[in-house]
Amino acid sequence: NAGVTQTPKFRILKIGQSMTLQCAQDMNHNYMYWYRQDPGMGLKLIYYSVGAGITDKGEVPNGYNVSRSTTEDFPLRLELAAPSQTSVYFCASSELSSYNEQFFGPGTRLTVL
Amino acid sequence: QKEVEQNSGPLSVPEGAIASLNCTYSDRVSQSFFWYRQYSGKSPELIMSIYSNGDKEDGRFTAQLNKASQYVSLLIRDSQPSDSATYLCAVISAGNMLTFGGGTRLMVKP
Repeated sequence: NAGVTQTPKFRILKIGQSMTLQCAQDMNHNYMYWYRQDPGMGLKLIYYSVGAGITDKGEVPNGYNVSRSTTEDFPLRLELAAPSQTSVYFCASSELSSYNEQFFGPGTRLTVL
Repeated sequence: QKEVEQNSGPLSVPEGAIASLNCTYSDRVSQSFFWYRQYSGKSPELIMSIYSNGDKEDGRFTAQLNKASQYVSLLIRDSQPSDSATYLCAVISAGNMLTFGGGTRLMVKP
């Protein structure tokens, strides 16, 4: 099992550019999440999904979009990147609900200049 | 505003000592509480979960929960340099999603 994988590991974007952060899990988990972590801060929930075809906003969704066409994949789309989106992005999954242990991917470090 | 508060640290303890990490939360309806460990540059990993008032022990780790005081703590006995990391407290509140605290950085000195 690879667990939760994320690509790319690092990325530098210019203001106004767009990109997609990829996330995949091979544990057949229903729940998937996207978090961002700013330096010295905890994680903030951007979007989550309870299953294929179902997504919902978290605490900080503005500037992001997600889709969940399969159980395995949960990409995060950044449109019109802004310096405020400079952060480390973590994807996570859990088996049945958010009450279960969340398994995190290695993260994507994004810088917007 | 649902909040989870932690002292950012760093908390410095000598090797072999007990490290005590504290967390308070604001939402009285919170039912589930978690401690994640995050090494520098790495992703968080779950080390403890606790759902009922009292203590829960797992090896060198003990989680303590006091819902009346809205307080959860993590004790690490016989601290080792390999325990040096940031410890994130996380709480499930209304909406059934995890809310994370800012984390406490622990440094265990040989």
